[in-house]
Amino acid sequence: DTAVSQTPKYLVTQMGNDKSIKCEQNLGHDTMYWYKQDSKKFLKIMFSYNNKELIINETVPNRFSPKSPDKAHLNLHINSLELGDSAVYFCASSQDLRGYEQYFGPGTRLTVT
Amino acid sequence: DQQVKQNSPSLSVQEGRISILNCDYTNSMFDYFLWYKKYPAEGPTFLISISSIKDKNEDGRFTVFLNKSAKHLSLHIVPSQPGDSAVYFCAASDGGGSQGNLIFGKGTKLSVKP
Repeated sequence: DTAVSQTPKYLVTQMGNDKSIKCEQNLGHDTMYWYKQDSKKFLKIMFSYNNKELIINETVPNRFSPKSPDKAHLNLHINSLELGDSAVYFCASSQDLRGYEQYFGPGTRLTVT
Repeated sequence: DQQVKQNSPSLSVQEGRISILNCDYTNSMFDYFLWYKKYPAEGPTFLISISSIKDKNEDGRFTVFLNKSAKHLSLHIVPSQPGDSAVYFCAASDGGGSQGNLIFGKGTKLSVKP
């Protein structure tokens, strides 16, 4: 059983489109995250949710909106996609807000053309 | 401003020898440090961690050393194996202060040659 899963694994779309990435964890963790790994390979936090509540919202354009229907799911919706949104997006989860050991999904490679 | 720095983008080691990956940090509020390993097209996987109250943590072939005064940590892999070839990320947390936010370094690509 995959602990943290993301769909889709690859996403190719055109500028201006709206897309969603789904994430699910079956670890029973309270906290979930979205990270972006850009072309320079930095992994940067975008959002974190604890028990469906937004905790961290780093400087991310408001075209990005996370949605957590329950504590096992954290989806990422992106509106009006831009070329600069091309990156690998990782979902992660941790037992609680301390976030010391985070478990990552396999990543979604988003390519905006 | 990079709070966690991995200054070596790559490292090549012969199988059976020791691999030493280094990491420096600037934020003295960090109280927990982690190493993650990442294979291509996969997510990072947790490898080993260390609390700031310790200076060494060992798990099998992997040992992490922490030098708080120098704000430096290192990961030792002994003996290195070809399957260890991956990108290694150093990460740091200040626990409740940043509400679970892990700050990652840029990664070091380790190649272990048979």
